Amino acid sequence: DVKVTQSSRYLVKRTGEKVFLECVQDMDHENMFWYRQDPGLGLRLIYFSYDVKMKEKGDIPEGYSVSREKKERFSLILESASTNQTSMYLCASSTTDETGELFFGEGSRLTVL
Amino acid sequence: GNSVTQMEGPVTLSEEAFLTINCTYTATGYPSLFWYVQYPGEGLQLLLKATKADDKGSNKGFEATYRKETTSFHLEKGSVQVSDSAVYFCALSEYQGAQKLVFGQGTRLTINP
Repeated sequence: DVKVTQSSRYLVKRTGEKVFLECVQDMDHENMFWYRQDPGLGLRLIYFSYDVKMKEKGDIPEGYSVSREKKERFSLILESASTNQTSMYLCASSTTDETGELFFGEGSRLTVL
Repeated sequence: GNSVTQMEGPVTLSEEAFLTINCTYTATGYPSLFWYVQYPGEGLQLLLKATKADDKGSNKGFEATYRKETTSFHLEKGSVQVSDSAVYFCALSEYQGAQKLVFGQGTRLTINP
């Protein structure tokens, strides 16, 4: 089975802190994604990567950056956390299969005080 | 841009009731369509998918048919169980460097015994 592992299930940070969310997948998938999930808004794409060191902005990249130094790992970085970044963050991966099926991690719930 | 609109929730049903969750989409081209499910405290997992018009996806008693003429992909189940209580997301694929998914806002389903 594909496994996508997110390093932290729950985090509490203060405004202005730098936050790292880590994601690792074990199925040699080319593509990796970071989504944000908020009630009533569904999932919104923050950033994605289709290869090592490659990254593309999604629909809501402002206030976030990403890093993909190795194929299996995709990190989401909040340079200076703000309260409106309190949310559930979901990492996903996929192959280059044309259907686009995603495999998700369990999510990281971030609270910014 | 591409978008997905889901039936607003929450939806509450009694066990063994018939379920329909509506999903319509706007897209250029011919995307693949998906239903994902999120059980409490977990990440999203694929429930079913359809990759071309008139395809029917099915899994765990759930079904959805890709209707190009009505741009719809409604989720149905003939007899729901308490264990089906979850949040359901409709999604379509679009290509931008990689196949990525655009999600609807999600529909929370609660099944009472």
